[in-house]
Amino acid sequence: AQKITQTQPGMFVQEKEAVTLDCTYDTSDQSYGLFWYKQPSSGEMIFLIYQGSYDEQNATEGRYSLNFQKARKSANLVISASQLGDSAMYFCAMREFLKAAGNKLTFGGGTRVLVKP
Amino acid sequence: DTGVSQDPRHKITKRGQNVTFRCDPISEHNRLYWYRQTLGQGPEFLTYFQNEAQLEKSRLLSDRFSAERPKGSFSTLEIQRTEQGDSAMYLCASSIGTGRTEAFFGQGTRLTVV
Repeated sequence: AQKITQTQPGMFVQEKEAVTLDCTYDTSDQSYGLFWYKQPSSGEMIFLIYQGSYDEQNATEGRYSLNFQKARKSANLVISASQLGDSAMYFCAMREFLKAAGNKLTFGGGTRVLVKP
Repeated sequence: DTGVSQDPRHKITKRGQNVTFRCDPISEHNRLYWYRQTLGQGPEFLTYFQNEAQLEKSRLLSDRFSAERPKGSFSTLEIQRTEQGDSAMYLCASSIGTGRTEAFFGQGTRLTVV
């Protein structure tokens, strides 16, 4: 079974509008972390935001916020006030802390975002 | 530039040849990871080092693949007898710890096997 599922292969968003990228995850660990990365065409993975499974508040970093619904096992990324430079692939990833292999990140398939002027 | 650097950025090789990639992590980071990313997919974990010790290897890492991190600094990933299916982006990442500490990625090495 997929550990990280991103159901939206691609999305268009109008400049200055908000966009929500979906991410659902599957784990039996009680302690885990969820990460979002941005990958522009240059290839580098850029860290955006982190949410821990025990964090009570939704994470926010500038224009990025994470809508964390633990019971539903979802961690959606919200990008507010989209900019042309936000056009990129976005990946949701999970790190399971209690497993013996607790160091690796497991990634979803990604969502391509294209911001229209 | 103090980020993660990878060399080369692009590599084209003939099937059956050996290739080696290098990754220089952020200097104070003791953890180093290799991932493989094929077109249109998310990165897949290959292997992980803590200092010089290789602590985990994915089943994706066949016996044609070998990774080293001598002295716990830079790392190399070698692929022997390359196959067309090895064509992918190979990403290196480093971190100073686990938990909520994010991994910092390099720009990757794109391998094309012809």
